Amino acid sequence: SQKIEQNSEALNIQEGKTATLTCNYTNYSPAYLQWYRQDPGRGPVFLLLIRENEKEKRKERLKVTFDTTLKQSLFHITASQPADSATYLCALWNQGGKLIFGQGTELSVKP
Amino acid sequence: GAGVSQSPSNKVTEKGKDVELRCDPISGHTALYWYRQSLGQGLEFLIYFQGNSAPDKSGLPSDRFSAERTGGSVSTLTIQRTQQEDSAVYLCASSRANKQETQYFGPGTRLLVL
Repeated sequence: SQKIEQNSEALNIQEGKTATLTCNYTNYSPAYLQWYRQDPGRGPVFLLLIRENEKEKRKERLKVTFDTTLKQSLFHITASQPADSATYLCALWNQGGKLIFGQGTELSVKP
Repeated sequence: GAGVSQSPSNKVTEKGKDVELRCDPISGHTALYWYRQSLGQGLEFLIYFQGNSAPDKSGLPSDRFSAERTGGSVSTLTIQRTQQEDSAVYLCASSRANKQETQYFGPGTRLLVL
């Protein structure tokens, strides 16, 4: 069956450290993968998109990798700040023409 | 400019009643999507509109759910004869013509069916 999975356990890290979130998928061949941030009571906000022929994409303190062999994307936040605390969702664009979301991982950055 | 707006922000209804949820997409965005997010779950695709094309309704969970989009802009999601399992946050998103563009989400409507 097709699945997209993110760590269900919340990630707690200290301010200044690097946060790494994982997104794994099975039985999909996505053209690209996206990461979104969602704050409580809000809709998701787009952060980064990485295409299947790209290995890595960076934006300020954010870095995303995409390994189509492992069927995995890693999302890194360097020099994390308490303001980075939120739920982070990965989503892949399925060849059927839909955006399929993972359940999200909650990140908590402690000062 | 204004982002995607949704109304109402919260809706409490009794089981068996019908509800209508509204979405105003970003001006000029021709693609509009509805998702459902249950507590602790990812977003579940419901329906997709693109311009004047027939909508992709493949994600609607039952025939109690329907949606329309008038004039290529505002969309209404209707749930008839609501059930308790319909309780969730209903999110709307819009994007530019090419549906591979980034989706911009509204704040959602929190629906509670008692």
